[in-house]
Amino acid sequence: AQSVTQLGSHVSVSEGALVLLRCNYSSSVPPYLFWYVQYPNQGLQLLLKYTTGATLVKGINGFEAEFKKSETSFHLTKPSAHMSDAAEYFCAVRETSYDKVIFGPGTSLSVIP
Amino acid sequence: DSGVTQTPKHLITATGQRVTLRCSPRSGDLSVYWYQQSLDQGLQFLIQYYNGEERAKGNILERFSAQQFPDLHSELNLSSLELGDSALYFCASSPGTGANPEAFFGQGTRLTVV
Repeated sequence: AQSVTQLGSHVSVSEGALVLLRCNYSSSVPPYLFWYVQYPNQGLQLLLKYTTGATLVKGINGFEAEFKKSETSFHLTKPSAHMSDAAEYFCAVRETSYDKVIFGPGTSLSVIP
Repeated sequence: DSGVTQTPKHLITATGQRVTLRCSPRSGDLSVYWYQQSLDQGLQFLIQYYNGEERAKGNILERFSAQQFPDLHSELNLSSLELGDSALYFCASSPGTGANPEAFFGQGTRLTVV
């Protein structure tokens, strides 16, 4: 069965510092992987996705993630945090384009001025 | 704007009542998903429909039911409501193709049971 774990329910970084949000997944087949962001009182917005091909994926707002099959990881990074990055971040997985999307528990990112 | 529309945005109702949440997927998307988001349980998958047929079921209570209509809009029915059903309910849609496997989310319906 698919599952997603996110290390750290809360992460705080200083403005301008590196953002690193960790995600590990389990899947019986090479999965599709996603990062979503949720701002307060809003729905989930897709940040980036991995389908096939290049393992380093670039998304919106300067975020990127690297798919590492050997580590079953899909960590999200951003070189320099901005105050507007403060939000809840969810890693998600699905095994085929027809399956349900399974979400991790989420990581709340705080950015300290 | 994701293109997924959910109504109503807010709903306040009493215990024991029944409510219906509505979702209009993005144009052309055949898959519709329902999720429940609460503080203590995170984002929980409830149910998925694909082109009118139920495709997958998650942690959906027997008091809850859903359907997808021929025009592809979907409704989630919640009955015999309890205080613990208070949550944010999201609908998402997906085209269901390999090139575009991501799900697009609506803004959610915030249900408060009093």
